[in-house]
Order: sequence, then C-alpha cells, then structure tokens
Amino acid sequence: GAGVSQSPSNKVTEKGKDVELRCDPISGHTALYWYRQSLGQGLEFLIYFQGNSAPDKSGLPSDRFSAERTGGSVSTLTIQRTQQEDSAVYLCASSLNLIGGSEAFFGQGTRLTVV
Amino acid sequence: AQTVTQSQPEMSVQEAETVTLSCTYDTSENNYYLFWYKQPPSRQMILVIRQEAYKQQNATENRFSVNFQKAAKSFSLKISDSQLGDTAMYFCAFMNRRTGTASKLTFGTGTRLQVTL
Repeated sequence: GAGVSQSPSNKVTEKGKDVELRCDPISGHTALYWYRQSLGQGLEFLIYFQGNSAPDKSGLPSDRFSAERTGGSVSTLTIQRTQQEDSAVYLCASSLNLIGGSEAFFGQGTRLTVV
Repeated sequence: AQTVTQSQPEMSVQEAETVTLSCTYDTSENNYYLFWYKQPPSRQMILVIRQEAYKQQNATENRFSVNFQKAAKSFSLKISDSQLGDTAMYFCAFMNRRTGTASKLTFGTGTRLQVTL
C-alpha cells in the first residue's frame, strides 16, 4: 500500500475483554515496530520485528501483551484481559532498515479506550 | 542499551522567530543515526530531519537544521522562521547502524512546541 495502515482507528472495549490491533506495513519493509502513546506522553516501545531475526519483545509491559507478524508482513498486537491503564494510542511503524538508518513510516494509530 | 533524553517538556516561540530543541543520547556505539520526528495534533508522525553519525556536516532541511555534537552526544534541532504549522510534539530518536533487532528505533519523551502570533 501507499503507507502504513492500522485498523481499527478507534476501539472501545470493556475491561477484561481481549482486543486485536492490526498493522499493515509498507510493502517490502523488513522492520516493523509497535509503540504505545498515552495521552500527551512520549512513545513507549513495545516490540520490534526485523526480518527473520527473533523479535525484540523487551518493551511489552506484561504477559497480557503479545504480537506476531505473519509472513513478514501484517502484524497483530493482542492485549488480553484489558485494563483501564491499557487505554492509549497504539502506533505501528515500518522501515526498510536493511542495515539500520532507514526512515520509519508511521500509521495513524489505533486509539484504544478501555471502559 | 541506548537512551534518548529531551529535557524540555514544552517550548514556545513567536512566529518568524528561531527556536532550538535539545536532545542528548547515551550509547556505546560508534555508528548510528539520529532523527527528529514531528507529531502534529493529527497524531501522524512525520520525519523532519535525519543525521548519520559518521557525517560531520550538520543536516539541514529548509528551515530545519541540527547541531550534532558527537563527542557530547548532543543533537539539537533548530527551527528558523517559525510558522504556526510547526506547532506540534517533536521527538528525537536514535537508531543503531546495525542489522537485526539491534537496530531498533528509540525515542525521547518529546518536546511540545507552541508557535504563537
């Protein structure tokens, strides 16, 4: 596609429910990132996929969070048993990143509200 | 692990004036990249400027320029002739010039810039 696409744009869910957030990166980009941005705050790193390397999961805040990237393309971030503190904008980005340094292109994000 | 620090949570500048946003970072690497990203209220992250650590010359993009001090691990952004459309959050970011997951992108906490009339 022309850019990084995230769906849904907005998601309201009840506390305790599971949610799945989807990211379609730019075709051919080997690197994919997930970040979380709470209201008015900076970008909190969650997870990073780079080609066939093992993903860097060091930013996932708890075992309720998981992510996968199928076929080196689409990625899904899953949050199980959602809590109110999970409310945030979840941003996905992709880059060519063959040897580092490539520009990361961001999606518009998914605004998650847990009620 | 790399860290990126932005010590100015908020800045304000009058239209047509110049403003400088600060960023420092900590790394043991020698080859890396530094970026400034802009996030307007639309929440779309946009790349403003990029610097390659092995280049001594400071990067410039129209009204945007950087002051890259490698020894001091400092990477400030200067915005000249500020415009109302420059109002946004600005994030400094670091990336190793390596392969695999060692090259992930690390962000600072951001500086909120308000351009006033």
